[in-house]
Amino acid sequence: AQSVTQPDIHITVSEGASLELRCNYSYGATPYLFWYVQSPGQGLQLLLKYFSGDTLVQGIKGFEAEFKRSQSSFNLRKPSVHWSDAAEYFCAVVVNTGGFKTIFGAGTRLFVKA
Amino acid sequence: NAGVTQTPKFRILKIGQSMTLQCTQDMNHNYMYWYRQDPGMGLKLIYYSVGAGITDKGEVPNGYNVSRSTTEDFPLRLELAAPSQTSVYFCASRGQSRAGANVLTFGAGSRLTVL
Repeated sequence: AQSVTQPDIHITVSEGASLELRCNYSYGATPYLFWYVQSPGQGLQLLLKYFSGDTLVQGIKGFEAEFKRSQSSFNLRKPSVHWSDAAEYFCAVVVNTGGFKTIFGAGTRLFVKA
Repeated sequence: NAGVTQTPKFRILKIGQSMTLQCTQDMNHNYMYWYRQDPGMGLKLIYYSVGAGITDKGEVPNGYNVSRSTTEDFPLRLELAAPSQTSVYFCASRGQSRAGANVLTFGAGSRLTVL
């Protein structure tokens, strides 16, 4: 069955430090992969997406993610975290099972300390 | 451009009551979705629609119903509310252009509590 795993429920980093959020997916075909961010009390907003081509994709707010097919991973990175990055981050994969549906991971909550 | 609009933002229901969560989008998107979000569980798909008059079940459809009479509106109905339906509900839609393919646009959410 298709699934997305985010192994870290929450992560705390210092402001200015680098960040990596992990994501592994299970899907037999070529995946469409996404990272969304959710600020408190808000809906989800797209950070970046991978469809094909260059395996390193750039997103908004200085985020990037790298698709590694051999590891079934799509980890999110940022070189220097800002306090405003504190939010919940969701990795997602789109599967085509009689219609395109998006499957989400459980999310990783990011805390940023001064 | 309003995007995806959900109402109400908050609601408290008593067990056994019914209600409808409204969702409307002004982007002419064919695909619309309802998700519920529970702590530590991510988002689970309740129902989705690929166009007016067409709906289908997602992962967790029990206790819910939907209809799609127009492209813009996709209401979610809860019949006989139960405490297990306490959650935050998100409506989303997606376009069909290549650039927007499979990118979801979300509403701000509706927080429902069943007591």
